[in-house]
Amino acid sequence: EVQLVQSGAEVKKPGESLKISCKGSGYSFTRNWIGWVRQMPGKGLEWMGIIYPGDSDTRYSPSFQGQVTISVDKSISTAYLQWSSLKASDTAMYYCARRSGDVPNWFDPWGQGTLVTVSS
Amino acid sequence: DIQMTQSPSSLSASVGDRVTITCRASQSVSSFLNWYQQRPGKAPKLLIYAASSLQSGVPSRFSGGGSGTDFTLTISSLQPEDSATYYCQQSYSTITFGQGTRLEIK
Repeated sequence: EVQLVQSGAEVKKPGESLKISCKGSGYSFTRNWIGWVRQMPGKGLEWMGIIYPGDSDTRYSPSFQGQVTISVDKSISTAYLQWSSLKASDTAMYYCARRSGDVPNWFDPWGQGTLVTVSS
Repeated sequence: DIQMTQSPSSLSASVGDRVTITCRASQSVSSFLNWYQQRPGKAPKLLIYAASSLQSGVPSRFSGGGSGTDFTLTISSLQPEDSATYYCQQSYSTITFGQGTRLEIK
């Protein structure tokens, strides 16, 4: 079974750093792009960026460029999303998802989500 | 960025009803259009990819149509478990999602 399992919920203070993870299993991890999606409380889905584990090629949404860093450790089939200095506005649920298909493409499956709460 | 606009933003329908949700792109996305279902407290789930292809395991009451700028998601006979928010998403250029359509069962 193809599965993405994300790290657990985090509670942080403004200015702190954070790295959350997304571990893939059940498929060849290096062959599919992994994307990250933000969902702020009560709001819709926002695409943040995507990484290709095979060569770490990374693309960011203009809205998130410079705000977060996406990385990968293919030796342990894990993608990461990190912040160097969190803000209260980073409070959200974050999902990873595997990009399937080539052209066109889609996201399937999705991880279960990681809730990040930033509060003083 | 390509803007995706869904209508309606919310709707309420009864079990057995036929329901259609519309997604309009600000420019052509060819058939690069996907639909997701998100139940409360859960991760999104792929329903339809490439505008009209039904994802494996998804009930056949779900169908997708359209191309270019106008797309539809139709549920032929609404079931209680279909209560959820539905999102369209284009993959033609920088990925964007519609704002979502909340579907409530009367």
